[in-house]
Amino acid sequence: DAGVIQSPRHEVTEMGQEVTLRCKPISGHNSLFWYRQTMMRGLELLIYFNNNVPIDDSGMPEDRFSAKMPNASFSTLKIQPSEPRDSAVYFCASSGLDRYRYGYTFGSGTRLTVV
Amino acid sequence: GENVEQHPSTLSVQEGDSAVIKCTYSDSASNYFPWYKQELGKRPQLIIDIRSNVGEKKDQRIAVTLNKTAKHFSLHITETQPEDSAVYFCAARDLNTGNQFYFGTGTSLTVIP
Repeated sequence: DAGVIQSPRHEVTEMGQEVTLRCKPISGHNSLFWYRQTMMRGLELLIYFNNNVPIDDSGMPEDRFSAKMPNASFSTLKIQPSEPRDSAVYFCASSGLDRYRYGYTFGSGTRLTVV
Repeated sequence: GENVEQHPSTLSVQEGDSAVIKCTYSDSASNYFPWYKQELGKRPQLIIDIRSNVGEKKDQRIAVTLNKTAKHFSLHITETQPEDSAVYFCAARDLNTGNQFYFGTGTSLTVIP
């Protein structure tokens, strides 16, 4: 298994531009999570999906952020318009609920820089 | 919801000494407690976990203990090595509901050679 795959690994964009981050969870995992990590606030949960359905998006900071999971193998996190304070590392993680797969597996992250 | 507190936020130990990181949780429904290690510039990776029906689990130099009554769990690293230097996160989850993991704020461990 290739693990959780995120793209791009690095993104540099100008303020005001739209940014789309992508995630492919581990096959068979039914939960997907988007986190943002900064030095100041640590790991923040933005939104998570169970069986492709958004369960809790209370961590999404503003309406500029949106996330979708059109199928079990793909999710996107979109920021429109982007701002410098959105600069962070964004992690996607997936998790299963069967007996032997409880833990999160994180992707490699996308380092976003908004200038 | 669940609230996970983690202490200390930073920890420095001499190589060869032991390190202990402690976490407390608030929701008695939580029944799964993983620990993640995040090296600089890398993703958090699961290093050990424990379920609530077990009091202690060990894997080579790392061990986790759980006290359900007191709602706290700890990570123990023995014979520390420089490569143990990283940020460690504890987490709690209720497997019955399938809800999110609740993470602690992290402990930055430095092992001094």
